[in-house]
Amino acid sequence: KNQVEQSPQSLIILEGKNCTLQCNYTVSPFSNLRWYKQDTGRGPVSLTIMTFSENTKSNGRYTATLDADTKQSSLHITASQLSDSASYICVVSPYGNNRLAFGKGNQVVVIP
Amino acid sequence: NAGVTQTPKFQVLKTGQSMTLQCAQDMNHEYMSWYRQDPGMGLRLIHYSVGAGITDQGEVPNGYNVSRSTTEDFPLRLLSAAPSQTSVYFCASSYVGQGSEQYFGPGTRLTVT
Repeated sequence: KNQVEQSPQSLIILEGKNCTLQCNYTVSPFSNLRWYKQDTGRGPVSLTIMTFSENTKSNGRYTATLDADTKQSSLHITASQLSDSASYICVVSPYGNNRLAFGKGNQVVVIP
Repeated sequence: NAGVTQTPKFQVLKTGQSMTLQCAQDMNHEYMSWYRQDPGMGLRLIHYSVGAGITDQGEVPNGYNVSRSTTEDFPLRLLSAAPSQTSVYFCASSYVGQGSEQYFGPGTRLTVT
């Protein structure tokens, strides 16, 4: 069973609108949780890294939240732009090793 | 500062052929790793290295070999390519610390016929 589950699998949003992506994980204990953006045909690029003690972290129009008690994280995209069309991957780093657990990604398509 | 580079970008192999995917980084990162990405699946770790001369297996190591003779380079060898190895391969690097940001290369798209 995948240790990191993301939802929705895909969504289409209008340019300028907000959206929220969900990530549920079972990795425990964990060191940090990351969100990556992957454009089509490119490697993932880090958006945020949060330790278990952090609740929120922002990177421009991207805001990630973390609830370590419920093992849930979300990524909120504000005022979406066409360039936000990408796959967003939730990644959990277990405590004590570098073997990251990857979600399958949320595929976001922004339309004009 | 080129970051993480990978070559080739695309490759087509016949079943049974061997090849090496190249990966290099210029950030003096100790940790380097190889992943494969298949449709509908998250990235899966193939092999990783925490420094020159040190390598270890990841989640899906069968059919692949690695070596780490320098800090900069971490090549991935396919010994006898199989159609099941058709995938997109990503190399990544970071410092060894737990919170270290991992930098990914642009990927190599491999097709085995």
